Amino acid sequence: NAGVTQTPKFQVLKTGQSMTLQCAQDMNHEYMSWYRQDPGMGLRLIHYSVGAGITDQGEVPNGYNVSRSTTEDFPLRLLSAAPSQTSVYFCASSSDRRNIEAFFGQGTRLTVV
Amino acid sequence: AQSVSQHNHHVILSEAASLELGCNYSYGGTVNLFWYVQYPGQHLQLLLKYFSGDPLVKGIKGFEAEFIKSKFSFNLRKPSVQWSDTAEYFCAVNAGGGNKLTFGTGTQLKVEL
Repeated sequence: NAGVTQTPKFQVLKTGQSMTLQCAQDMNHEYMSWYRQDPGMGLRLIHYSVGAGITDQGEVPNGYNVSRSTTEDFPLRLLSAAPSQTSVYFCASSSDRRNIEAFFGQGTRLTVV
Repeated sequence: AQSVSQHNHHVILSEAASLELGCNYSYGGTVNLFWYVQYPGQHLQLLLKYFSGDPLVKGIKGFEAEFIKSKFSFNLRKPSVQWSDTAEYFCAVNAGGGNKLTFGTGTQLKVEL
């Protein structure tokens, strides 16, 4: 089982560029979410989805867009990258919206210069 | 809004020492509580979880945690740590059966030989 797969693992962007972080899960989980991890701040929720076609904002949604056209995929789009978006991004999925057991991907380390 | 506090940011222990990491949350209703571990360079993995019932829960690798409702606490313990326990530990709460998992800022544990 692949679980939760994130691509790419590393990315460097220039300020103002856009890109999409990919996340796919093969566990048929309804609930998926994106977090960013910054030193001393733990993980903060960016966006989440409770099922295909349904998304909602988390704690720090500004500068990011998401969509959920299929159960398996939940891409995160950076519209115009800023240095403040330099972070490690984790995608997670769960069979239950209460995150009874959230499975995390390996993370994407993004640097915006 | 729910919040999670981890007061120990960095902990250094010698092998075989006992471990207790503090976690307090702020929410007056029903909560689901979690401890996640992140080994260097890896993604988050679930250590243990509490939903209801016995307030003392046991997880993987000899870890356990005790839910004390009156203190809004969910402290993580291990009687004897190993060098391989060196990692960052995150407490998380899902409050009121909602859609969001809120993380603490993490505790960096270093176990010395």
